[in-house]
This record gives sequence, structure tokens and C-alpha cells, in this order.
Amino acid sequence: SAVISQKPSRDICQRGTSLTIQCQVDSQVTMMFWYRQQPGQSLTLIATANQGSEATYESGFVIDKFPISRPNLTFSTLTVSNMSPEDSSIYLCSVVAGGRGPEAFFGQGTRLTVV
Amino acid sequence: RKEVEQDPGPFNVPEGATVAFNCTYSNSASQSFFWYRQDCRKEPKLLMSVYSSGNEDGRFTAQLNRASQYISLLIRDSKLSDSATYLCVVNSWAGNMLTFGGGTRLMVKP
Repeated sequence: SAVISQKPSRDICQRGTSLTIQCQVDSQVTMMFWYRQQPGQSLTLIATANQGSEATYESGFVIDKFPISRPNLTFSTLTVSNMSPEDSSIYLCSVVAGGRGPEAFFGQGTRLTVV
Repeated sequence: RKEVEQDPGPFNVPEGATVAFNCTYSNSASQSFFWYRQDCRKEPKLLMSVYSSGNEDGRFTAQLNRASQYISLLIRDSKLSDSATYLCVVNSWAGNMLTFGGGTRLMVKP
């Protein structure tokens, strides 16, 4: 299994500012995943973060808006840049560990409100 | 067409009822299948994996039909604590990329 500590748990931000979300994993993992979950919706993958290389972004998400760092195998950050109210959402980091097959473990989520 | 589709619900059922959720996936090369549970304002957590032969865990039964690309979850004797959103999840590629369905919301009433 994997335990992920994600922070902040919530924030209210002014439009035009940026917020950096951090995730710390209790074990070394090759890939970390960043998701967005809008109210009443399921999870949408933003990007996959690999240590030592640039993150891979999904369609509709770009590095300038969601820069990601992955300095080592246990830590990653996602920045939501130049925020607008449309960025209000829950952001979750995730890792996949073995055990019962590729089981995904999630951080507690960051609830972002942009005003 | 979405890769993983679910009926969003909500399913409103009385305690003790049996309820079934369905999920279809579009990629016939999908390899692994799961049901996750997400409580309100919480992160998703694995409920159970879904095996080709079908599998049961207490009141929960999961089944997979590869020919029809269809996954189901059956909950018997529903409890109030079963109220949550149930996410169908598919591992479509070699590696660890998971695709989430939109979720089915279940509300169990007294």
C-alpha cells in the first residue's frame, strides 16, 4: 500500500494568483498522477509525473497552466497558475502500487475555490 | 464515446434492498477492472477488484463480461453506510494508467 500526504487540504484564492499543491508519498514510486474532480463529476487525469523527466499532460491541460515538479521518487507538486473561477475544483494526487493489482492510492485532496 | 461509462444515478434505495450498478468500457484490450468507493468530500478508495470468474466480498459481488465489455457490482442487504459514489475503474494499458467512470451515486434510506 501507499500513504500520501497532500496539502493544503483546502484554499480560497483570488483570481489571477497561483497555488502550489504538494504530495508526499511514504514510499518510492515511479509515476505520480494528478487528477481534477469538479463538483459532481468523476476524476479527470491532468498529467502523469515521472521523476527525472517532464510530466506528460492529457488533452486539454498544458504545462503553462499546470506546471508540475517531481524532484524525487516520493514527492511532487502541482501548481494551478493564473487562476480563474473555472479552476475551482478538487485536485488529487495519486500513485499506483502493487498488492491487489494496480491499486490506486490517493491523497486527501485539495479543495480549491477561486473568487 | 467515453472510455468508461456508468449510470450516474442517484439510486435511492431502502435499507436491506439489493442494488446493482453497471459499467461499460470501450477498449477491448483493457486488462484490469475495479470498483472504487468515494464518500462525500473524501478521496476514492478501492472497494474490490473484478475478476473474469466473478468475485464476492461479503455483501458485494462483482462480475466481468469481457465479450460485452461490461462490469457489474451487486450490493445485497444495503446499509445506510453504503451511501457513497461508486466508481468503475479500468486499467486499459500496460502500466499503471487508470481510467475512471463518472461514478454512480447510491443513497440508502432508513
